Amino acid sequence: ETGVTQSPTHLIKTRGQQVTLRCSSQSGHNTVSWYQQALGQGPQFIFQYYREEENGRGNFPPRFSGLQFPNYSSELNVNALELDDSALYLCASRPRTSGAGELFFGEGSRLTVL
Amino acid sequence: SQKIEQNSEALNIQEGKTATLTCNYTNYSPAYLQWYRQDPGRGPVFLLLIRENEKEKRKERLKVTFDTTLKQSLFHITASQPADSATYLCAPQDNNNDMRFGAGTRLTVKP
Repeated sequence: ETGVTQSPTHLIKTRGQQVTLRCSSQSGHNTVSWYQQALGQGPQFIFQYYREEENGRGNFPPRFSGLQFPNYSSELNVNALELDDSALYLCASRPRTSGAGELFFGEGSRLTVL
Repeated sequence: SQKIEQNSEALNIQEGKTATLTCNYTNYSPAYLQWYRQDPGRGPVFLLLIRENEKEKRKERLKVTFDTTLKQSLFHITASQPADSATYLCAPQDNNNDMRFGAGTRLTVKP
């Protein structure tokens, strides 16, 4: 059973550019969530996908968007990058979308915006 | 608005002592509460889940309590070891589809 994998692990972009981060969820998990974690802060919920539909969203602007594919892998897209977007972006999966259940996190993608 | 507060940014204790971390929440009615451990530069790792009808949960040297009246969870590590040094995150979970985290408490256990 493979865990959650994310790519790329590190990347550097400049203000105004666009970025796509990728996540492969754990086998058998149909729900994936994305989090932004700034240095010294807790993970902030961006959104969640279940069966290719967004079914929960945190307080992030529309330039943060996502996709989930039929194999349950996922992408996070951020347009018009700002300096404050510099953070660790975490993907987490779980076997069902509601009820009790632990999240399985990847190791994250570290984004630096210059 | 919903708020999750963890007692302090950092907690330093001596090896062998019990570490107690606090998580308070407001404007929430969580059905569950989870605790995670995060090491620097890594993703969080699940430790324990406690349900609203459970007062206490234990796993090896870890103990979690959940008081829905006080809107508080306490996380204890007994006989702490330097390897327990990490950031600990609490995550109250209601019946909505998302899970939100506190800012975390950075625990350092000194030999």
